[in-house]
Amino acid sequence: GAVVSQHPSWVICKSGTSVKIECRSLDFQATTMFWYRQFPKQSLMLMATSNEGSKATYEQGVEKDKFLINHASLTLSTLTVTSAHPEDSSFYICSAPFLATGELFFGEGSRLTVL
Amino acid sequence: DAKTTQPPSMDCAEGRAANLPCNHSTISGNEYVYWYRQIHSQGPQYIIHGLKNNETNEMASLIITEDRKSSTLILPHATLRDTAVYYCIVRKVRDNYGQNFVFGPGTRLSVLP
Repeated sequence: GAVVSQHPSWVICKSGTSVKIECRSLDFQATTMFWYRQFPKQSLMLMATSNEGSKATYEQGVEKDKFLINHASLTLSTLTVTSAHPEDSSFYICSAPFLATGELFFGEGSRLTVL
Repeated sequence: DAKTTQPPSMDCAEGRAANLPCNHSTISGNEYVYWYRQIHSQGPQYIIHGLKNNETNEMASLIITEDRKSSTLILPHATLRDTAVYYCIVRKVRDNYGQNFVFGPGTRLSVLP
């Protein structure tokens, strides 16, 4: 079946540094991908929609200058957390729709810890 | 806001069937019912989806009531590896996902030995 892969699965960084997370659709093309954030014991919250070849659309309350999204190809979207701070520590998850079946496939998630 | 309600938690004995209910009383005729689960520290995993007929695959069965206002996900022989949070989501057939694919709190299923 369709697979979405994220990298890295976990990352620890110092406050003030930037971290890039990659999301790849491995055997299908995705013109749209979605980025979510999940805090402990909470559900997934949509952060932004990544669109291949155009700007991402962000949900209310999500800072676009802090969470940079680039969808450079039909199989890759990246999320860069700029100038990370401890409150940005979270589980970040991407997803991509497999249009042929109507399923939404999720990556394994990336756990960011900012010290 | 999520358009579904689920019990916050359930227990099930290993080897027995796990029946997870979902209420979606405001569902419209062109909305599918989707089920996902999330094992601790992993991304959500697709289980099954349906429109109005009952569906079965290698993972589970989905029973949708005739009025479509509720559904039940059935794991026929639960194992310890089925311990997870299960999410029931409704989505219009032609809607993009994104804002139209909202995760509620889900049901935390604990499969007990």
